[in-house]
Amino acid sequence: ELKVEQNPLFLSMQEGKNYTIYCNYSTTSDRLYWYRQDPGKSLESLFVLLSNGAVKQEGRLMASLDTKARLSTLHITAAVHDLSATYFCAVVLTGTASKLTFGTGTRLQVTL
Amino acid sequence: SQTIHQWPATLVQPVGSPLSLECTVEGTSNPNLYWYRQAAGRGLQLLFYSVGIGQISSEVPQNLSASRPQDRQFILSSKKLLLSDSGFYLCAWSAGLEETQYFGPGTRLLVL
Repeated sequence: ELKVEQNPLFLSMQEGKNYTIYCNYSTTSDRLYWYRQDPGKSLESLFVLLSNGAVKQEGRLMASLDTKARLSTLHITAAVHDLSATYFCAVVLTGTASKLTFGTGTRLQVTL
Repeated sequence: SQTIHQWPATLVQPVGSPLSLECTVEGTSNPNLYWYRQAAGRGLQLLFYSVGIGQISSEVPQNLSASRPQDRQFILSSKKLLLSDSGFYLCAWSAGLEETQYFGPGTRLLVL
């Protein structure tokens, strides 16, 4: 059974600071996604990472994937209040095509 | 561009009552469709997915069922709701089994 763990579960950070969210998964995966969810809202796709060493960047967010370590990171650079949300990683188990297994989520709160 | 709709947005139902949630996708043909449930403060759990009309795969045995009567319509049903069915139900679509899943606005269900 594929298990996906994120840490921290909750992160409070000041504007302008940098921080990293970690996503660990337990078995071989074909690809990994990062999603953002604002309170009471649906999920917004941020990144898809397909291979070992993949790195994607969008604005102040950068995601990377290390398939050997079964680890993905979401790095936040110079945080701003608008980044406050819950971030989920989701992993596709090798050979299961479309089945996403989600992590528990990291609730990010950026304070002024 | 593609758009995904869910109806209703919120629903309060008594225990033992039936349920029907609808999801429709516009702007694409033969999408893969998915139903997820998110319990309060938790990650997402895949309930059902469909690769075509009448083709439903169940991921979690429970008192829910899904149907796909038309190419771009996906319905989640129950004959008798349980308290544990409360949650945020999200429909998603993807262009292929290995493509990014895009989520609808969700239906918030409260069973009393």
